[in-house]
Amino acid sequence: AQSVTQPDIHITVSEGASLELRCNYSYGATPYLFWYVQSPGQGLQLLLKYFSGDTLVQGIKGFEAEFKRSQSSFNLRKPSVHWSDAAEYFCAPSYGGSQGNLIFGKGTKLSVKP
Amino acid sequence: SQTIHQWPATLVQPVGSPLSLECTVEGTSNPNLYWYRQAAGRGLQLLFYSVGIGQISSEVPQNLSASRPQDRQFILSSKKLLLSDSGFYLCAWKIQGSGELFFGEGSRLTVL
Repeated sequence: AQSVTQPDIHITVSEGASLELRCNYSYGATPYLFWYVQSPGQGLQLLLKYFSGDTLVQGIKGFEAEFKRSQSSFNLRKPSVHWSDAAEYFCAPSYGGSQGNLIFGKGTKLSVKP
Repeated sequence: SQTIHQWPATLVQPVGSPLSLECTVEGTSNPNLYWYRQAAGRGLQLLFYSVGIGQISSEVPQNLSASRPQDRQFILSSKKLLLSDSGFYLCAWKIQGSGELFFGEGSRLTVL
């Protein structure tokens, strides 16, 4: 079955440190891939997306993600975390191209230490 | 520009009471519309989606129903709420043929 895994439920990093959030999708045809961020009590905001082409994609707020077909991964990175990045992050593949529905991972909660 | 509105933002209802959550999209036509539920530690669960007026697809059988009476209006309903219906409900839309979803601010439902 089509699925997505975010192995880390909760990550704590120090402000200014680098960040990598992991995402693995089930093997098969390359889906469209998305990362969303959610602040407490809010809706989800799109950070970045990958459809095809360059495997390193840039998003908003200084985030980037790299698609690795051989590892079925789409990990999210940021070189220097800010306190305002504390939030929950969701990876979401969409199978079936632009017509498919997104499948959301269970999310990774990011805490930032001063 | 496109906007999405959800209301009410918070709702406290007794068990057995009815529910109506409403979602409206502005600035676009014929969007795909979605209802998700978010429970703590369980990610987002797709409940319903719609590709057009009167067309509703249900992803998970449960105590809820959805309707799309107008092109840009999507309603989530229940005749009798259960405790397990508590959660954070998110409405979302996307342009047909595009990939990304755009979310509303959510509605927090507490069933007592």
